[in-house]
Amino acid sequence: DTGVSQNPRHKITKRGQNVTFRCDPISEHNRLYWYRQTLGQGPEFLTYFQNEAQLEKSRLLSDRFSAERPKGSFSTLEIQRTEQGDSAMYLCASSPDSRFNTGELFFGEGSRLTVL
Amino acid sequence: GNSVTQMEGPVTLSEEAFLTINCTYTATGYPSLFWYVQYPGEGLQLLLKATKADDKGSNKGFEATYRKETTSFHLEKGSVQVSDSAVYFCALSRDQGAQKLVFGQGTRLTINP
Repeated sequence: DTGVSQNPRHKITKRGQNVTFRCDPISEHNRLYWYRQTLGQGPEFLTYFQNEAQLEKSRLLSDRFSAERPKGSFSTLEIQRTEQGDSAMYLCASSPDSRFNTGELFFGEGSRLTVL
Repeated sequence: GNSVTQMEGPVTLSEEAFLTINCTYTATGYPSLFWYVQYPGEGLQLLLKATKADDKGSNKGFEATYRKETTSFHLEKGSVQVSDSAVYFCALSRDQGAQKLVFGQGTRLTINP
């Protein structure tokens, strides 16, 4: 399977704990995106990378959230001191360089976070 | 700011019925418009898109026309199948190349045999 891969698929944690999600994009894609989706809502943009550079962050990404893409391949999204309001599905997507871009994002199946 | 409003669901239809899911948007300038679909247990995937006014996107029997005058991008299909049961999301992008999508809230569609 050469699609976008996310791990873990489901994480249950207690309030105050730290969690980390990993995303492996499609190998030839140099752009990587994180979105958050709460129940009954559409995905909301969090941040995106071009190669290893984080080019934009949403105001939704509080100081407790940090995303990295150290070698321009996989990415991690860490949430520190989790709160119940962080419970959501965290979606990763990738796309190729703008020269080859058709405007389509390729999404993973998501990582569901439940904060007790 | 930019926003997308979809018709509220859930929508339940019988097989072979005609489908319309309404989508309207608010944006400055000329956004690109998309419909994404999420089948049970799968990730979001692009269904169709349109990048300028009066363009019609189409795929798998679904169609949507970019109407600038009404700021709409309604999704239609003439004869739905059970396999079309999914959640449908309308979205827009204002960023050339960045694809920072703004999504609607989604419409859950169930097709009964």
